[in-house]
Amino acid sequence: YELIQPPSVSVSPGQTASITCSGDKLGDKYACWYQQKPGQSPVLVIYQDNKRPSGIPERFSGSNSGNTATLTISGTQAMDEADYYCQAWDSSTGGFGGGTKLTVL
Amino acid sequence: QVQLVESGGGVVQPGRSLRLSCAASGFTFSRYGMHWVRQAPGKGLEWVAVISDDGSNKYYVDSVKGRFTISRDNSKNTLYLQMNSLRDEDTAVYYCAKDLYSSGSVFEHWGQGTLVTVSS
Repeated sequence: YELIQPPSVSVSPGQTASITCSGDKLGDKYACWYQQKPGQSPVLVIYQDNKRPSGIPERFSGSNSGNTATLTISGTQAMDEADYYCQAWDSSTGGFGGGTKLTVL
Repeated sequence: QVQLVESGGGVVQPGRSLRLSCAASGFTFSRYGMHWVRQAPGKGLEWVAVISDDGSNKYYVDSVKGRFTISRDNSKNTLYLQMNSLRDEDTAVYYCAKDLYSSGSVFEHWGQGTLVTVSS
C-alpha cells in the first residue's frame, strides 16, 4: 500500500507545520504518525488518525479524510525538528510513507 | 516501563542466515501483537512482519515472504526473526515493535534496533 509524503517541510518557530500523507482511500483506514530524530528509534505521536499517546504534547494533532491524512504541529518548537513517517494498515500488511524531514528555522 | 532489546545482528554473507531476537519486559508480552520493522542506511522505514499475540497469525511484506519467519516464545517474552537467503538489500537496522493491540497495526513502542549487514 503506497503512501506519499513530501520529502521536506520547513516552518518557523512558533508557527504551525502541516505534513500530508496521501494514499488511495486512506480516509477509510486508520493513519498513524511517527517521529524519528537522528540516531534514535521512531516514536509514535498519533494513532487512529487523531489520538495522542500519553506523553505526546497537545501541539501534535492529526486528521484523515478522503485520500489524505495530515499531521499538524501547532506552535512548532526547535525540538520538533525530525523525520516524520505516516503509516497505515491495509490487507494485513503495514505500509509507511517515505518520510518528511521537518526543518524548524 | 516497556523495554524491547534486540540482538543477533551482524555481518553476514549473501545467501546465509541470521536469527534476530527481541527480549521484551515491562508489559504482558502474551497479550500483544509484535512487529519487525527495518530501516536501510539513510532510508525510510519498512514494515517487515507481524505476529499476533498467540502466534497464530503471521504476515509479511512481499519482499521477505518465503525467506523470513517471525515467531515468538511467550514463556520467554521473546520475539524472533529467522532470516534465510539473505540479500544485499536486506541490509538495515531491524527494530522490534510492540503493537498497541493483540493483532494489530500500531507500533506503540520500539526497541533500539540491531544492524544487519549483508555483504561478501
